[in-house]
Amino acid sequence: GDSVTQMEGPVTLSEEAFLTINCTYTATGYPSLFWYVQYPGEGLQLLLKATKADDKGSNKGFEATYRKETTSFHLEKGSVQVSDSAVYFCALRAGRRALTFGSGTRLQVQP
Amino acid sequence: NAGVTQTPKFRVLKTGQSMTLLCAQDMNHEYMYWYRQDPGMGLRLIHYSVGEGTTAKGEVPDGYNVSRLKKQNFLLGLESAAPSQTSVYFCASSYGGESNQPQHFGDGTRLSIL
Repeated sequence: GDSVTQMEGPVTLSEEAFLTINCTYTATGYPSLFWYVQYPGEGLQLLLKATKADDKGSNKGFEATYRKETTSFHLEKGSVQVSDSAVYFCALRAGRRALTFGSGTRLQVQP
Repeated sequence: NAGVTQTPKFRVLKTGQSMTLLCAQDMNHEYMYWYRQDPGMGLRLIHYSVGEGTTAKGEVPDGYNVSRLKKQNFLLGLESAAPSQTSVYFCASSYGGESNQPQHFGDGTRLSIL
């Protein structure tokens, strides 16, 4: 079946540091890949997506590239801010099946 | 824009009690979903619906029932609540079933079963 594996958290960084959150996946077919962000007390918000190999999704300074050869979709940001502190979820959707989520990675950014 | 609205936001139940969680979306989406979120486990799909009058089981359906009598509403019911159902419940919707369609989430319902 489909699965998503994310790096364990929490990830603690200083403001303006470089961020990478690793995500790898297993899926049949050709999935679309997503990153969602969850701020404290809120629901999940779509951060970015990529729908085919070598696509790069980007939003709010975050980027992730769909790497079919390594089955990865790592999230990166060049300079994090305190306001980026949240839980980040990698997810995939293959065909008409529902989303499959990773377990989430908590990011804490310190001033 | 309301998007996806869940009610209630918080609820405490005693074991054996029943309740219904309501999800409403105003985006004319066909697909709707119920997930539960537990620490360290991400979100797991309980039930979903691909259109008005349809429902289907997800990954963890036991102990829950759902109904989709109107396109904009998706109800999740607990007939006899158990402590194992203590969780945060999220409703989501999407325009269609294609893999590139993102899901839009509500803010969640925090449910505690004593």
